[in-house]
Amino acid sequence: GQQLNQSPQSMFIQEGEDVSMNCTSSSIFNTWLWYKQDPGEGPVLLIALYKAGELTSNGRLTAQFGITRKDSFLNISASIPSDVGIYFCAGLFFGAGSYQLTFGKGTKLSVIP
Amino acid sequence: DARVTQTPRHKVTEMGQEVTMRCQPILGHNTVFWYRQTMMQGLELLAYFRNRAPLDDSGMPKDRFSAEMPDATLATLKIQPSEPRDSAVYFCASGLGMNTEAFFGQGTRLTVV
Repeated sequence: GQQLNQSPQSMFIQEGEDVSMNCTSSSIFNTWLWYKQDPGEGPVLLIALYKAGELTSNGRLTAQFGITRKDSFLNISASIPSDVGIYFCAGLFFGAGSYQLTFGKGTKLSVIP
Repeated sequence: DARVTQTPRHKVTEMGQEVTMRCQPILGHNTVFWYRQTMMQGLELLAYFRNRAPLDDSGMPKDRFSAEMPDATLATLKIQPSEPRDSAVYFCASGLGMNTEAFFGQGTRLTVV
């Protein structure tokens, strides 16, 4: 099956710093999704990207759908303590009756006040 | 505040017992997914439904797992008999279609002893 390589696995940063994480795949996707998961909760959608090259922002978050359709990155600017959590990328491929939503292993973000 | 509702939030059961997890998708959503999350494997897609019809359950161990949608407001995931290796957090998610983002419930944390 398809696999996503998400990096880094974990990050420790100072409050106020910018953060960058990315996902790569050997397969192409139609859609890239970025989720955040807090302890004891389900993943919450942050940003959805539908077109190769698309750059989308949601507040302090910015994500891009790679031109090759095989990668995506998420940037968080001016991090704050509530950014702590696990961030997941997910690649969606659909077509010809098939559907595959594959998740990366996650990036655990810790913010030091 | 539309959200996916899962019950129970936590379940501890003995090996061999039947477990049923329930999910109420967001009203109007026609696609329902079941995921399993473990530390080792991350988020794995078990099954998904569109308009209550099962489209793919290849991610599920067929001999013990079954997923159904008795009606548009209820999806169930059943494990019979349960085994310790089934211990995980099970998430239900719903969406408006196959090519759009999925919204997750808070999950059912299952522990099989």
